[in-house]
Amino acid sequence: KAGVTQTPRYLIKTRGQQVTLSCSPISGHRSVSWYQQTPGQGLQFLFEYFSETQRNKGNFPGRFSGRQFSNSRSEMNVSTLELGDSALYLCASSGASGGPVDTQYFGPGTRLTVL
Amino acid sequence: LAKTTQPISMDSYEGQEVNITCSHNNIATNDYITWYQQFPSQGPRFIIQGYKTKVTNEVASLFIPADRKSSTLSLPRVSLSDTAVYYCLVGDLRGGYQKVTFGTGTKLQVIP
Repeated sequence: KAGVTQTPRYLIKTRGQQVTLSCSPISGHRSVSWYQQTPGQGLQFLFEYFSETQRNKGNFPGRFSGRQFSNSRSEMNVSTLELGDSALYLCASSGASGGPVDTQYFGPGTRLTVL
Repeated sequence: LAKTTQPISMDSYEGQEVNITCSHNNIATNDYITWYQQFPSQGPRFIIQGYKTKVTNEVASLFIPADRKSSTLSLPRVSLSDTAVYYCLVGDLRGGYQKVTFGTGTKLQVIP
């Protein structure tokens, strides 16, 4: 079974631009979550989508948004990029059975650098 | 949210057993304990999960005392490829991962 894939793997943008990252979950998984990882803040939850609806949201500004398509693929968008947005953005999928042992499977991440 | 505390780093020689302890004093009744491993520039990889007592799989064991205020990940006979950051997560996954806290992680360095 193929794992979670993320594209692109690396991205360089300048301040003020916007960026869209893509995530393809494991086949059959309906939940997709996004995380931001930085050396200073560690892994922080951004949001989770389930069946095309945002089910949970972390404490990030509205510049960070996402969506999920009917095939469970998800995109994350960051508008008006700031230097502090430079990070590894991770996507994770799960079967989202709703049980307490719902394991998440992470993709390799997209390394975003904002200049 | 249950706050977790782990050692920032640990060193171990190849072939030794490594025990990484995570403290989670305010763990809630419905919270599970999950451990992930992360290599540089890769996403975290699930290692093991448990609720109480002991859980063992092909790569690790997880020991959880009766009060559940801490847990210990045990890696038997580590090799150089086990050099990674290990995260302890505590939370009730039924509510989604926004209710789960990733701690700062423990950077394990395996020495030849």
